[in-house]
Amino acid sequence: GENVEQHPSTLSVQEGDSAVIKCTYSDSASNYFPWYKQELGKGPQLIIDIRSNVGEKKDQRIAVTLNKTAKHFSLHITETQPEDSAVYFCAASIANSNSGYALNFGKGTSLLVTP
Amino acid sequence: KAGVTQTPRYLIKTRGQQVTLSCSPISGHRSVSWYQQTPGQGLQFLFEYFSETQRNKGNFPGRFSGRQFSNSRSEMNVSTLELGDSALYLCASSPRGVSSYNEQFFGPGTRLTVL
Repeated sequence: GENVEQHPSTLSVQEGDSAVIKCTYSDSASNYFPWYKQELGKGPQLIIDIRSNVGEKKDQRIAVTLNKTAKHFSLHITETQPEDSAVYFCAASIANSNSGYALNFGKGTSLLVTP
Repeated sequence: KAGVTQTPRYLIKTRGQQVTLSCSPISGHRSVSWYQQTPGQGLQFLFEYFSETQRNKGNFPGRFSGRQFSNSRSEMNVSTLELGDSALYLCASSPRGVSSYNEQFFGPGTRLTVL
């Protein structure tokens, strides 16, 4: 099955700096790659996603890039703020409207933004 | 629009008991997926239901089961609880429409503790 590796497991940056989290996946058939942010005591919140027919997507301070050939995708957060502190998860799935799909998650990155 | 709701939020059970967790998806969403989150294994897919049918199943023992009702609400059941079943159980709903790429939106989870 699909195996998603995520690095680093912890990341500490100063407010205003950029943060980059990287993920690799094993199944070349994967075609949907969402990123989730999970704050303490809450469920994961979808922050951005990218599909296999797109190489890059940006939403304000957050961007995601996808390299299908190398089978890796990355999350970039610019101008980080203390409220960005949370655990971030990448995921990969083979979206198929007939057979359903499951999200295969990385182990998570604990991001700490210090003022 | 109201988000995904899960009840109860917290549960304490003893080994050998069974438990039923409930999930109400976002209005209009027809797909419900269940995930187990533990510190050691991370987020793992349990199963997905769409139009009252199980579409996909993860690698969990038969003690874990689920169902979906005609109003899209879903329940999952765990029988003969083991200590290792202690986890945060997350429900995610998805619109699952014509497009095969469907975002999944998570609820706050049910924290199950098995003593």
